[in-house]
Amino acid sequence: DTGVSQDPRHKITKRGQNVTFRCDPISEHNRLYWYRQTLGQGPEFLTYFQNEAQLEKSRLLSDRFSAERPKGSFSTLEIQRTEQGDSAMYLCASSSPRTGPLETQYFGPGTRLLVL
Amino acid sequence: KNEVEQSPQNLTAQEGEFITINCSYSVGISALHWLQQHPGGGIVSLFMLSSGKKKHGRLIATINIQEKHSSLHITASHPRDSAVYICAVGSNTGNQFYFGTGTSLTVIP
Repeated sequence: DTGVSQDPRHKITKRGQNVTFRCDPISEHNRLYWYRQTLGQGPEFLTYFQNEAQLEKSRLLSDRFSAERPKGSFSTLEIQRTEQGDSAMYLCASSSPRTGPLETQYFGPGTRLLVL
Repeated sequence: KNEVEQSPQNLTAQEGEFITINCSYSVGISALHWLQQHPGGGIVSLFMLSSGKKKHGRLIATINIQEKHSSLHITASHPRDSAVYICAVGSNTGNQFYFGTGTSLTVIP
């Protein structure tokens, strides 16, 4: 396992369509994070899983967004009825709390979404 | 107001110059991260620190918890250091992370 992987790397879709992204974390990491990054901005936190439990969800995550991590390994992020404002880079990161609460996150390459 | 503020937003330096990027935050933190993002989007974690100072090669990161401030220093800068440097903090009251908007560094040969 060489790192966090995301699929697809790029997605172009028409407004109103549903899209689903996948993230495979580093295998021994039990924590998984989703972020969104728009051009010229830093990443924004979307949601966080510890194992299969979704523990934290940003108010940025509207009802059209849903994330799952059914077996505590890979995660999916689905956007329903996409809007042009959803165009962004969607980043996934994973971590493991080896020493107390301190941990470093390892980022995937991201999925770049363009909604036409 | 953002929870994490970085300065400067953009920085151009000549090769060999000493570079400092600053980060101030307004929330209680468990740890502060410095990240490097290259064109194309890949993010690499450079440092994670909760006190004092860390050094890795030509990079040095310091944090002052009382002043809620951190700095990233690059000594003897090189064109390959050109990237966006992002400061991020992990909140100590939950599992949220807050990110600065990044400092875009260009090192000219």
